[in-house]
Amino acid sequence: AQTVTQSQPEMSVQEAETVTLSCTYDTSENNYYLFWYKQPPSRQMILVIRQEAYKQQNATENRFSVNFQKAAKSFSLKISDSQLGDTAMYFCALTPHGSSNTGKLIFGQGTTLQVKP
Amino acid sequence: NAGVMQNPRHLVRRRGQEARLRCSPMKGHSHVYWYRQLPEEGLKFMVYLQKENIIDESGMPKERFSAEFPKEGPSILRIQQVVRGDSAAYFCASSRLHRDRVTNEKLFFGSGTQLSVL
Repeated sequence: AQTVTQSQPEMSVQEAETVTLSCTYDTSENNYYLFWYKQPPSRQMILVIRQEAYKQQNATENRFSVNFQKAAKSFSLKISDSQLGDTAMYFCALTPHGSSNTGKLIFGQGTTLQVKP
Repeated sequence: NAGVMQNPRHLVRRRGQEARLRCSPMKGHSHVYWYRQLPEEGLKFMVYLQKENIIDESGMPKERFSAEFPKEGPSILRIQQVVRGDSAAYFCASSRLHRDRVTNEKLFFGSGTQLSVL
C-alpha cells in the first residue's frame, strides 16, 4: 500500500520569513511523482510544485522549493519570503509513474499554514 | 479557457435523498477523476472515467455511489439515499490525456461541491 504522511497539522510563520513543511511517504514503486498542492479558503486545489522521483535535482518554483530525499522517502516543501497569500492548507501527494491510473493521487492529511503580518 | 467547473458549489440534502454532483472538465479534456475530502483530511480518490467508460472505480463505496461521464455533457457523481457520513467536499479533476511518462499531463482541479446531509 502507498501512504503519505504529514506530521504537522498546523504551522505558522511571520511574513517574509522561511518555513518548511514536512512530508514522508511509502511506496514500493521505483518511479513516481510527488506533488505539493495548496488549498486556500476558496477550496481550489492549486499545484505548487512537482518532483519526478528519478530526477535527483530538487524542483524549484520561484519562492517554493523541495528537499527530496529518496532513500529516506522524505519530500519537504520550503517556502521562502512568506507572503500573506501563502496562508492555506498544503497537501503532499504521490502518484506512481507507470501505472494505468496516474491520476490517482495519494494525499497526506494536510498542514494548515498561517502567515502572520 | 475556463477551468474545471463544478456545480453546485454547495448542496444540502436530507437523509435518504439523492445528491447529484456535476463536473465539466476543461475544454479538450477527456479524462475525469473524482475525489472526496472529509473534514480535516486529505483528498481520497474515488473514480476515474473517460468518455462513456469507467476506468478505475477502486475508491468508490460499493453501494449508493455511481459515476458517469457521457459522450455529451458533464460527468455526474450520484449518491443515492444519502447519510450524514456522506457530508464532505467532492472534487473533480481533469486532464487532457491519460497521464503517462511521455506526456506527464497535469491534473487540474475544480473548486469542489460541499455536500451537507441534514
